Parts: sequence; structure tokens; C-alpha cells
Amino acid sequence: DTEVTQTPKHLVMGMTNKKSLKCEQHMGHRAMYWYKQKAKKPPELMFVYSYEKLSINESVPSRFSPECPNSSLLNLHLHALQPEDSALYLCASSRTGNEKLFFGSGTQLSVL
Amino acid sequence: GNSVTQMEGPVTLSEEAFLTINCTYTATGYPSLFWYVQYPGEGLQLLLKATKADDKGSNKGFEATYRKETTSFHLEKGSVQVSDSAVYFCALNPLNSGNTPLVFGKGTRLSVIA
Repeated sequence: DTEVTQTPKHLVMGMTNKKSLKCEQHMGHRAMYWYKQKAKKPPELMFVYSYEKLSINESVPSRFSPECPNSSLLNLHLHALQPEDSALYLCASSRTGNEKLFFGSGTQLSVL
Repeated sequence: GNSVTQMEGPVTLSEEAFLTINCTYTATGYPSLFWYVQYPGEGLQLLLKATKADDKGSNKGFEATYRKETTSFHLEKGSVQVSDSAVYFCALNPLNSGNTPLVFGKGTRLSVIA
């Protein structure tokens, strides 16, 4: 299994909603990442987890809250988002010490 | 600092044409270099990589050579297909180690027409 699976594929939410994005991998990777990608732009790093501990937070607003319950799962909890947060949210993983990233297909998020 | 500069797109080619997408970088130390490809509606996939000077990465007919003297990692393919239509991102890992965030270029959109 060489896949990173993200759910849901599409999400529409209001500014007062609370929702969660989920990411799963079964490759034994110990580093997991959240990226945000706006249309026609490169991915922007949001968070990195290494061995289930948050190692990098790229000054992301607190309305985005990551969680890594175990080595296979990564969640991104969303609350009180703004319309400008609408984007493709990509999860990725890598084997520690190996810089190759495996990306999921992303969740296309629309905030109304 | 660390940065990647790619040629502006979009690039439109006819099938079987030769492709070059230019990529240059600035980095301290000895970075690893990558090309990622993003097909419509999908995440990024690693296309090829090179970890040291003069290395050539290759995959699916694409090639790129790590040129330290010109700080470049240009992507080439001899004969493109319609299925190669995608966005291509050049990227570097500045510390050549795991967990270090990749630095991406802005991406180059390629459209191949039959």
C-alpha cells in the first residue's frame, strides 16, 4: 500500500461550522504533513508531525488545529474559517530520513 | 535564503514535441532537487529527483540533471504526449534530510495538444 488517503474529497462549510479533514497512510511513515494549495499556486506548508509530535507550525491561524492520534492518522480540525481559507488541502507523508513525499489527492474546501 | 525559480507558464506544445521546463535554485549547502507533477484534480506525485551534483534523475521519459555550476535542474522530455498535460513543480530540500520542508517553485502548467 503506497497511498495516502484523504477524506472527504470535497467539503463545503459555513463560517460558523466545525469540520475535520482526515488523512491516513499505512506505509509506516513517521512524518506527516498538511499543505494548503490555492488555485494556480504551489503548495504552502502548514504543519509537520514527526513521530506523532508537532515539529513545525508555519504560523498557521488557530482556527486550524492539527492532530496526530497515531502514526497512521492525521487530522485537521477546522473552526470559524474565513472564505479566504477556501483551497485544496493536501496531506503528505514521508519515511523519516527519506525526503521523498507521498501526497494524497487532497480535500477541496469551500468556505461560504 | 533558499528559493526555486521556474519558467512562467503556461506552456503549450503539440504531441511529440520536445519539452524543456527551466528551473534554477539558490540554496546554502547541498540541497536535494525534485520535480513533482500534479495532474488535474489530484495531489502531487514525485516525478524524479537528484541528490548530488551531476546526478541525473529520470522517470517516464523525463530527465533532469543536477548542475551545481549553473544551479539548475531543468526538466526535459524528448516527445511529449497528451497525457503529460499537468502542472510541474521544481522543489528543493535545503538540508538534504528528512522532515525538512520542501521549497517549491511556482509551478509550470503544460498543455499538450493532439
